[in-house]
Amino acid sequence: GAVVSQHPSWVICKSGTSVKIECRSLDFQATTMFWYRQFPKQSLMLMATSNEGSKATYEQGVEKDKFLINHASLTLSTLTVTSAHPEDSSFYICSARDSRLRAGGYTFGSGTRLTVV
Amino acid sequence: DAKTTQPTSMDCAEGRAANLPCNHSTISGNEYVYWYRQIHSQGPQYIIHGLKNNETNEMASLIITEDRKSSTLILPHATLRDTAVYYCIVRGGMNRDDKIIFGKGTRLHILP
Repeated sequence: GAVVSQHPSWVICKSGTSVKIECRSLDFQATTMFWYRQFPKQSLMLMATSNEGSKATYEQGVEKDKFLINHASLTLSTLTVTSAHPEDSSFYICSARDSRLRAGGYTFGSGTRLTVV
Repeated sequence: DAKTTQPTSMDCAEGRAANLPCNHSTISGNEYVYWYRQIHSQGPQYIIHGLKNNETNEMASLIITEDRKSSTLILPHATLRDTAVYYCIVRGGMNRDDKIIFGKGTRLHILP
């Protein structure tokens, strides 16, 4: 089945630094990937849609200069949290669509827990 | 905004069937009902989906009412590992790159 690998699974960084999170589709090509953020006890909130070879589409209220998304290949999308602050601490999750799959079609990564200190 | 309404939480005894309801009264004709679950601190996991017919796989069964305004996810023999938040999602067909918008889901507690 389709596997999406997300790395790192957790990261602690100092306030003001930038953090890059990778999302890879391991056995399929994904022209579209999605990035979500989840705060404790809350649901997943869609941040942006990552399109291979073109600019990402951000949801309303998400700062594109703060959350840089790059989808340079059909198997890799990256999310960079720039100048991170404690309020950016959250659980970040990516998903990718495998057009080969009949069932559901979307596979999610295992998430990255970001803690900004 | 999410197009579905689910109870905030439910309890179910281990070994019994867990029945999770979902209302989607504004569903349109080409929209599917999908169910995902999220175990604590993990990414969501696909469970099942359907259009209008009832569906069953190795994980669960999905019962969709005839008017398609509601559905029920059934876990036939719940185990402690089924404790999770279950999300009912309505979206376009499988061939479209529709983004998945999550509602608040149902927090299912399986009791020993």
